[in-house]
Amino acid sequence: QSVLTQPPSASGTPGQRVTISCSGSSSNIGSNTVHWYQQLPGTAPKLLIYSNNQRPSGVPGRFSGSKSGTSASLAISGLQSEDEADYYCAAWDDSLNGYVFGTGTKVTVL
Amino acid sequence: EVQLVESGGGLVKPGGSLRLSCAASGFTFTNAWMSWVRQAPGKGLEWVGRIKSKTDGGTTDYAAPVKGRFTISRDDSKNTLYLQMNSLKTEDTAVYYCSTALTMTGGAFDIWGQGTMVTVSS
Repeated sequence: QSVLTQPPSASGTPGQRVTISCSGSSSNIGSNTVHWYQQLPGTAPKLLIYSNNQRPSGVPGRFSGSKSGTSASLAISGLQSEDEADYYCAAWDDSLNGYVFGTGTKVTVL
Repeated sequence: EVQLVESGGGLVKPGGSLRLSCAASGFTFTNAWMSWVRQAPGKGLEWVGRIKSKTDGGTTDYAAPVKGRFTISRDDSKNTLYLQMNSLKTEDTAVYYCSTALTMTGGAFDIWGQGTMVTVSS
């Protein structure tokens, strides 16, 4: 089972702000940077945020990331219908010597 | 165009073997650390393992559920990554993606293949 815990679902109306949490431990989030991925239905994951709060080229500015201690969060401001997807946090885990993903959060646009 | 294309998926019986391939193009494969990530039907993402570039030692790391059964290798002359899967279990049923961190992303995977489906069933 995953060592990074996320809420199973989140929702909002268009234009609202939605926040997704990701809880880990000292061996992963506490000592390494956090990444976030977006997975649209039936497609491969896409990198959304890297190194806690950096956006790759092409990712809209309404996506932002933050980290504090052993937790991280992803915020989507100005929610749009195309943001309806699954979102996963991830980080390297020094104890497991492996890359770990969060449990995933399904975002629904109401 | 930067691209990763997986192949080799299919139906295999429990206890059987299968080898997946991932053909890379559009970037310097030799320098890339490559990973395999899988996703069981209706489930979340699970990292399977990685192989470093030969320059960085070419060593491999594996997730606990596959360690000792799966082997990751690479052929830099063919720009191809492999995943040899032995002693397959029903719980290995998943879409298998190859991925890499092409740009300076702190190790985050910014390039993904389209995935190949592996079904382990009798």
